Amino acid sequence: AQSVTQLDSQVPVFEEAPVELRCNYSSSVSVYLFWYVQYPNQGLQLLLKYLSGSTLVKGINGFEAEFNKSQTSFHLRKPSVHISDTAEYFCAVSAVTNAGKSTFGDGTTLTVKP
Amino acid sequence: EAGVAQSPRYKIIEKRQSVAFWCNPISGHATLYWYQQILGQGPKLLIQFQNNGVVDDSQLPKDRFSAERLKGVDSTLKIQPAKLEDSAVYLCASSLRGDRSYNEQFFGPGTRLTVL
Repeated sequence: AQSVTQLDSQVPVFEEAPVELRCNYSSSVSVYLFWYVQYPNQGLQLLLKYLSGSTLVKGINGFEAEFNKSQTSFHLRKPSVHISDTAEYFCAVSAVTNAGKSTFGDGTTLTVKP
Repeated sequence: EAGVAQSPRYKIIEKRQSVAFWCNPISGHATLYWYQQILGQGPKLLIQFQNNGVVDDSQLPKDRFSAERLKGVDSTLKIQPAKLEDSAVYLCASSLRGDRSYNEQFFGPGTRLTVL
């Protein structure tokens, strides 16, 4: 089984500042990793994914994440945030052999202040 | 292309009452998922369908929850009777294929259930 820990439940940051949302995972098998964003009263939207290849993955809205196998981490970063990035962010993991079943972290609330 | 549709968007019921949620996936998507998202937590998979067959329902509380996907298109999730701890957002998602390889899941807006 897989598990995900999002290390910060809330991250406040000022507009145009950089941000990092931290995610650690646990698994005994090879995994795929995902970040989703959820705006108020909406469903989840895929930001980016790591399936294979380069450990640095780029997603939508200027976000990127780096897969670190030795540290079992998949931290999300953005060099300069906007007010519109205020949302809930979820890290998720699935086994390569059963990619349809994802385990989600409990989320990080990113609040961007003017 | 239309996204995943869910209704109702909000529902308030008393405990021990019954409730049903409806989901219409993206056209042509073989796989449909129902998730429960309790406030302050990430989504938890309740049931996964491939076409009209159940792939995984290991985390579905079968004593009170049921789901069906007749004709392999839209789906309903029912709770009977509801408990206070069932208060949550119920998310539906769909993906194109149902094999074990990666397929992006597309999520609907969810139904927010409040049990009083």
